[in-house]
Amino acid sequence: KQEVTQIPAALSVPEGENLVLNCSFTDSAIYNLQWFRQDPGKGLTSLLLIQSSQREQTSGRLNASLDKSSGRSTLYIAASQPGDSATYLCAVAGSGNTGKLIFGQGTTLQVKP
Amino acid sequence: DAGVIQSPRHEVTEMGQEVTLRCKPISGHNSLFWYRQTMMRGLELLIYFNNNVPIDDSGMPEDRFSAKMPNASFSTLKIQPSEPRDSAVYFCASLFMNTEAFFGQGTRLTVV
Repeated sequence: KQEVTQIPAALSVPEGENLVLNCSFTDSAIYNLQWFRQDPGKGLTSLLLIQSSQREQTSGRLNASLDKSSGRSTLYIAASQPGDSATYLCAVAGSGNTGKLIFGQGTTLQVKP
Repeated sequence: DAGVIQSPRHEVTEMGQEVTLRCKPISGHNSLFWYRQTMMRGLELLIYFNNNVPIDDSGMPEDRFSAKMPNASFSTLKIQPSEPRDSAVYFCASLFMNTEAFFGQGTRLTVV
C-alpha cells in the first residue's frame, strides 16, 4: 500500500529565503507525482506535475524534482514571499494508470515579512 | 471553463439527516474523484469514477456513504444517515487521462 510522507509538517522562514519541502513515498512504481498548494478554507491548486519518466519540472520560482528509485521528491521555492504562505501537498499516482492520487499530510509554510 | 464546481459550499445538518453533495467536473475530463479532508486524517480518497463508472470505492467508510455519476457532467455523494464524525471538508476533483488533477472549492459539512 502506497504511503506518502512530507517533512517537515510546518516551516517558518523569513521573506527572501530559499527553501526545500520534502516528500517521500514507499512504492516507487508511480505514474506521476503532483505538488499542490492549499490556502486556508480553499481547494487545492496544482503547482507542478512530474511524470515518472521526468526528473524535474519548473514553474517560475518553483522547481520540483523526482527520484523514483529512492522514493523522493522535493519542491524548491526560490526567494520566498509572504504570499507563498500556504499548505503544500504532495500526491502520487500509482502505476495502474488510473489517476488515483495518494496524498501526504502536507507542509504548512509561513513566510514572515 | 469555470473549473470543478461543488455545491453547496457549506452544509450544516442534524445527525440522522440525509446529506447530498454535488459536483460538476471540468468538461472533457474522464476521471472524477471524491476526497474527504480532516485535520486528523488529511486527504482521503473515498471513491473514483472513470468514464462515469465507479472503479474503486474501497475508501468509502461505511454503507451510509454512496456515490453516483449518472453522466459525464454530474456526480453526487450521499450520506444517509449522517453522523457527527462525518463532519469534514469534501472535495471533488477531475482530470483527463492522468494529467494534472483539478479540485473544486470543497463542501464543508458539519453534522450536529
